[in-house]
Amino acid sequence: QKEVEQNSGPLSVPEGAIASLNCTYSDRGSQSFFWYRQYSGKSPELIMSIYSNGDKEDGRFTAQLNKASQYVSLLIRDSQPSDSATYLCAVKPGFKTIFGAGTRLFVKA
Amino acid sequence: DTAVSQTPKYLVTQMGNDKSIKCEQNLGHDTMYWYKQDSKKFLKIMFSYNNKELIINETVPNRFSPKSPDKAHLNLHINSLELGDSAVYFCASSLTKGGNEKLFFGSGTQLSVL
Repeated sequence: QKEVEQNSGPLSVPEGAIASLNCTYSDRGSQSFFWYRQYSGKSPELIMSIYSNGDKEDGRFTAQLNKASQYVSLLIRDSQPSDSATYLCAVKPGFKTIFGAGTRLFVKA
Repeated sequence: DTAVSQTPKYLVTQMGNDKSIKCEQNLGHDTMYWYKQDSKKFLKIMFSYNNKELIINETVPNRFSPKSPDKAHLNLHINSLELGDSAVYFCASSLTKGGNEKLFFGSGTQLSVL
């Protein structure tokens, strides 16, 4: 079982729609959870972090965490073509940050 | 004022050669990392140093040797390059080694082994 699993996609949504990205992780001791966005040919950049169960909202982004189910999700409201990128779920059970393989998102204008 | 800078951006070399990638951060962070991103975009940690001390050493061929002369610099030397080493190598840093620290990435070094 992979440590962090994501659907590789691509996930295609129309402009203005909600994009829903999901992630599961295997290490129950994980305490910190992150979503990074990576544009093609660029480096990953952090867009959200979440540490406790529930929802965390930041602008058009909402991260959701359910530690009992070992599940993290990212919702992007009012999706824009500029949101088209690969979204990497990351989990930090200790010193190292472990990444999923990423979900490619396409937002169609 | 680049926060995490790595050089070179592109590296094209022949099999069997030895090459180095350099990384520097000006954020005052204690911890630095090397990640490898393969052609399928999977980002995998290789090494981490905290205040010049090696704290993470994943299952990486010993042809790869990191060196941290001080906490602002982390270099990666690769001996006897193989075709499978072709990837993008990212340097990253974080304020500390634990806790809730996020990663700040360099722009990456695309290594192509011919």
